[in-house]
Amino acid sequence: EVQLVESGGGLVQPGGSLRLSCAASGFTFSSYEMNWVRQAPGKGLEWISYISSSGSSIYYADSVKGRFTISRDSAKNSLYLQMNSLRAEDTAVYYCARKLPGTTWFDPWGQGTLVIVSS
Amino acid sequence: QSVLTQPPSVSGAPGQRVTISCTGSSSNIGAGYDVHWYQQLPATAPKLLIYGNSNRPSGVPDRFSGSKSGTSASLAITGLQAEDEADYYCQSYDISLSAWVFGGGTRLTVL
Repeated sequence: EVQLVESGGGLVQPGGSLRLSCAASGFTFSSYEMNWVRQAPGKGLEWISYISSSGSSIYYADSVKGRFTISRDSAKNSLYLQMNSLRAEDTAVYYCARKLPGTTWFDPWGQGTLVIVSS
Repeated sequence: QSVLTQPPSVSGAPGQRVTISCTGSSSNIGAGYDVHWYQQLPATAPKLLIYGNSNRPSGVPDRFSGSKSGTSASLAITGLQAEDEADYYCQSYDISLSAWVFGGGTRLTVL
């Protein structure tokens, strides 16, 4: 069974840092592109970052560029999101989502991990 | 303000048909990029419902269908059931933003 499990969320003060993880299982992790998508409380979905299957191509949404860093470790079948200089508006559930090369849809999604930025 | 525009809410009685629109522009849907739809049940992660404009993943009932024309797309749900009550999001790719983009979401209420 294909599964994505996020972890690492929590409460952090404005300006602080947090590292999210996404553990993948049930598929050949190194063959798939991965993404982070977030959802602020009561709001819609926002794509924030992409990493290619090899890790050689990385993209960010303008809202997180320069503050967040996506990475992957194929040996550990894991995806990461290092979040620095956190702001209140970064408060959201963060989902990792798989993407097949050559396609533009996300499937499946993890269950999400909640990040709260507050003093 | 989402790049793709959806109605905030739609509703229908059990057994009825409803449609949800998704309007984009010449830099996303109109540029030829496919539209995909996700269903998000309360307190759960989004689930792929329609991919490539009109294709259903295995396990998605044929009551759900999608279409695309010009700069817009639509999701149709026939034979509404109580379990269809959820938020629905459209998604595409925007070449001007170099980003994957979502609609603001539509809440479906089954009356």
